[in-house]
Amino acid sequence: SQTIHQWPATLVQPVGSPLSLECTVEGTSNPNLYWYRQAAGRGLQLLFYSVGIGQISSEVPQNLSASRPQDRQFILSSKKLLLSDSGFYLCAWSARGTTRDTDTQYFGPGTRLTVL
Amino acid sequence: GESVGLHLPTLSVQEGDNSIINCAYSNSASDYFIWYKQESGKGPQFIIDIRSNMDKRQGQRVTVLLNKTVKHLSLQIAATQPGDSAVYFCAEGKNDYKLSFGAGTTVTVRA
Repeated sequence: SQTIHQWPATLVQPVGSPLSLECTVEGTSNPNLYWYRQAAGRGLQLLFYSVGIGQISSEVPQNLSASRPQDRQFILSSKKLLLSDSGFYLCAWSARGTTRDTDTQYFGPGTRLTVL
Repeated sequence: GESVGLHLPTLSVQEGDNSIINCAYSNSASDYFIWYKQESGKGPQFIIDIRSNMDKRQGQRVTVLLNKTVKHLSLQIAATQPGDSAVYFCAEGKNDYKLSFGAGTTVTVRA
């Protein structure tokens, strides 16, 4: 079965510090990968998605970047965190389809980031 | 812009009763819809999905109804249990790798 991991689970960082959140997927190959941010009491905002190694699409201009160094690894980074970067960060994966790719996305446990 | 939204931000339901959570969407190009359940501090969990060539799909204690005429999606939970308390999100997709999520409905089950 497929599993998705995220770490760390919680993180408290000062403004201006760097960030690196990691997501890995097991039990599947060549998945589509996604990073979302969820503000308190709000819905999910898509930040980045990737359909292959080194292929990153950004959905919103922001202080963050993403990388996919391996097939099942997705990293969210920032060089200098802002207060507005606080939130709940979720990684998700979906299976690559034969006739269509938009399919069920499965989410990881999330990382709670607080920037002070 | 087009977006997915929910009719009510909160729903309180008596344990054992049926719950109905509604969602309105505006993108007529969407052809795939999903319901997720998110418990506090956790990632969203897949509940059930439906494609636009269907108007009803049933799972274990859950039913999703799709009305494309009025662009309305609903999730029915039978015999609601305390463990059903969570935030429920609808999401829509249109074969472009992405899903658009609504703001969510918080369901509280009263004992």
